[in-house]
Amino acid sequence: EADIYQTPRYLVIGTGKKITLECSQTMGHDKMYWYQQDPGMELHLIHYSYGVNSTEKGDLSSESTVSRIRTEHFPLTLESARPSHTSQYLCASSVTGGTEAFFGQGTRLTVV
Amino acid sequence: AQSVAQPEDQVNVAEGNPLTVKCTYSVSGNPYLFWYVQYPNRGLQFLLKYITGDNLVKGSYGFEAEFNKSQTSFHLKKPSALVSDSALYFCAVTGDTGRRALTFGSGTRLQVQP
Repeated sequence: EADIYQTPRYLVIGTGKKITLECSQTMGHDKMYWYQQDPGMELHLIHYSYGVNSTEKGDLSSESTVSRIRTEHFPLTLESARPSHTSQYLCASSVTGGTEAFFGQGTRLTVV
Repeated sequence: AQSVAQPEDQVNVAEGNPLTVKCTYSVSGNPYLFWYVQYPNRGLQFLLKYITGDNLVKGSYGFEAEFNKSQTSFHLKKPSALVSDSALYFCAVTGDTGRRALTFGSGTRLQVQP
């Protein structure tokens, strides 16, 4: 089992609320990622970090923001949730140099 | 820019028959290639990777993949499919230079019929 954890697993929240999805890894990986995935569909990279205080936006434009203040922690925040944000959010981490990425179990977000 | 193409949305195969899930890629520099599997309501599980060396790599659950540089392909194979192999399979690529993220293909649903 990979040591990367996402909380919560499931979240139902009302429109306009602020939310933070948590992601933590205990492997000391320098790279961390957030992907957005609708059920059974492709993964879209929305945020990427290659180290502390270094973040980049991914291929898919997202209204979410991320921070990387500590190596092990990579939270994703939505300031004002909308129904269009309903999706599954997957966090992953890896080490620079060709190793595989490890994925968390995902957070399934529903905005009503 | 780097990209991955999985040309088949779904692959159907009978149990016991060999299976192939196709993947082609585009990346500058040398590629690092990966296959992942996803079961319903789960995260992604790593199957195998190609970094360097032998073009045929072996991974978990009897899967293997062949790296073909001239065709820029990395097809996933298994000699004898099981019903339990039915899942969503993703190919991914990153490069060996710069600060590269991991780019995924659109996924291929594998359906193994008993």
